[in-house]
Amino acid sequence: AQSVTQLDSHVSVSEGTPVLLRCNYSSSYSPSLFWYVQHPNKGLQLLLKYTSAATLVKGINGFEAEFKKSETSFHLTKPSAHMSDAAEYFCVVSFYSSASKIIFGSGTRLSIRP
Amino acid sequence: GAVVSQHPSWVICKSGTSVKIECRSLDFQATTMFWYRQFPKQSLMLMATSNEGSKATYEQGVEKDKFLINHASLTLSTLTVTSAHPEDSSFYICSARDRRVSETQYFGPGTRLLVL
Repeated sequence: AQSVTQLDSHVSVSEGTPVLLRCNYSSSYSPSLFWYVQHPNKGLQLLLKYTSAATLVKGINGFEAEFKKSETSFHLTKPSAHMSDAAEYFCVVSFYSSASKIIFGSGTRLSIRP
Repeated sequence: GAVVSQHPSWVICKSGTSVKIECRSLDFQATTMFWYRQFPKQSLMLMATSNEGSKATYEQGVEKDKFLINHASLTLSTLTVTSAHPEDSSFYICSARDRRVSETQYFGPGTRLLVL
């Protein structure tokens, strides 16, 4: 069965320090992987996506993620957190076998301390 | 590019009335659109998949007569919550799949529905 797990429901970091949001997936197929960000009472904005090209993917706002097939992971990182990064982050997986549906992780709330 | 809009952004209605929410892809054609519901502090729950020119496919547990979906064109899908009740109050988000970039879904800003 296909699934996606975000290991941390809440991550808190100080401004200027690195950010790591973890995501693992389970699949029998080659997935496409996405990270979306949602600010309060807003829709979801695409940060970055992996679709079987380069395993290190760079996204907007300084975020990047690395696809590691051996670890079935797609962790999101940023070298230096900014106050505006405080939001909810969703790891999303798309599987060709599921007729274009996508599976959402449970989300990670990122808080930034001044 | 790849902008999806929703209208209205928020709506308050009385119990028993029907509410229509529009989802538009502004700069691309979307053969498939998706409707999600999000409860506070939770992830998105897929309600239905809407394909242009055909009937929507509803997820298990979602009442198709309660949540009417119409996808009349490649840029517009509508969700009508019929005979709304307070338990239908939620944040509804649509997404559209770009035909040119088949795996990627682009999300609308969401519609906050409050049923009194």
